[in-house]
Amino acid sequence: AQSVTQLDSHVSVSEGTPVLLRCNYSSSYSPSLFWYVQHPNKGLQLLLKYTSAATLVKGINGFEAEFKKSETSFHLTKPSAHMSDAAEYFCVVTWMDSSYKLIFGSGTRLLVRP
Amino acid sequence: EPEVTQTPSHQVTQMGQEVILRCVPISNHLYFYWYRQILGQKVEFLVSFYNNEISEKSEIFDDQFSVERPDGSNFTLKIRSTKLEDSAMYFCASSVAGFPGNTIYFGEGSWLTVV
Repeated sequence: AQSVTQLDSHVSVSEGTPVLLRCNYSSSYSPSLFWYVQHPNKGLQLLLKYTSAATLVKGINGFEAEFKKSETSFHLTKPSAHMSDAAEYFCVVTWMDSSYKLIFGSGTRLLVRP
Repeated sequence: EPEVTQTPSHQVTQMGQEVILRCVPISNHLYFYWYRQILGQKVEFLVSFYNNEISEKSEIFDDQFSVERPDGSNFTLKIRSTKLEDSAMYFCASSVAGFPGNTIYFGEGSWLTVV
């Protein structure tokens, strides 16, 4: 079965330092990849998406992600963490042969220390 | 910015009772979805809906579940006879089109607690 794996359940960084949230997906034809963020008591907000255009994707709030087909990865990065970045981040994948169903990773909780 | 709205934000119900969760998708969207997240588990797909019919459903979406678009704005999820294991956050979502890669917009979720 197709799947997506978020390698870290929790990541803790200091404010102002880089953020790296890791995501790998099971290989298949033409994945579309997304990162969603969920702040406490809020819905799932789209950060960015990759749909077979440029492999480096820029999103909102300074986040970006790079699609690496050879590594089946789509890691999320940000050069400098802000306190407001503290939230749960979900890597999400869909494939051409999976209809319209999104497959979610288990989530990574980002903690930002002052 | 347009958003998907869900009501109620939180509902507590007794086992065996019927529950209806309501959603107002973004107005020009044509595809509608329900996902759920049991506490501590992954977000899971339940059902997609287009042109007044279910286009895809997961194995979770059994006969106890139904969806409906009763008018031009609302999209509902009904659970006929709730079980303890139905306790979860239920997310409604919508998109303009249905092809993979199209952006799906989510609501803030409805917490359902079955006691």
